Amino acid sequence: SAVISQKPSRDICQRGTSLTIQCQVDSQVTMMFWYRQQPGQSLTLIATANQGSEATYESGFVIDKFPISRPNLTFSTLTVSNMSPEDSSIYLCSVAEYTDTQYFGPGTRLTVL
Amino acid sequence: GENVEQHPSTLSVQEGDSAVIKCTYSDSASNYFPWYKQELGKRPQLIIDIRSNVGEKKDQRIAVTLNKTAKHFSLHITETQPEDSAVYFCAASANTGTASKLTFGTGTRLQVTL
Repeated sequence: SAVISQKPSRDICQRGTSLTIQCQVDSQVTMMFWYRQQPGQSLTLIATANQGSEATYESGFVIDKFPISRPNLTFSTLTVSNMSPEDSSIYLCSVAEYTDTQYFGPGTRLTVL
Repeated sequence: GENVEQHPSTLSVQEGDSAVIKCTYSDSASNYFPWYKQELGKRPQLIIDIRSNVGEKKDQRIAVTLNKTAKHFSLHITETQPEDSAVYFCAASANTGTASKLTFGTGTRLQVTL
């Protein structure tokens, strides 16, 4: 399977600021996704990152809060904007190569003070 | 949309015993059912998956069964070992082409005791 990396691995941010998380894959992949995992909870899909076009957001998530870019088939970014303590979570990217099987990146642990 | 329920939320077994985790889904269009294992502080790792054209799949000590009529699927771990201790998530998706959104269950914390 593809090797997936995320930057940063963790960060502590002040409320009202924004953080951009990067997801890099070592090979071209068909699909890239962004998930949120709140402390002790399950994974919730934020959006599907579409190469060369706007991301597809799930109910409850909006572009102004979570802008996403995917300039090519190996890279995507998720920005968490105007952060509040409720945004403290682990943010994970996942990729699917040619099937619907998804593999996850190591995650970014975000703490908002 | 899809809704996936998972039980139990916690499970404690003795080493060598079997563990069973059950999930139910709501969308009859779902056709792909993966299971992920997440150790503390680590990423979810795919351990086994099953598609709707198969009723059972086995990989060493791990097996998954699917009942499409009842819309439920289960993870079976035999001869449990301490390293099986983790949180396990089931998921479901309806692959409608290139999109394959996963809806996750709430997770089961498995503890294998000596």
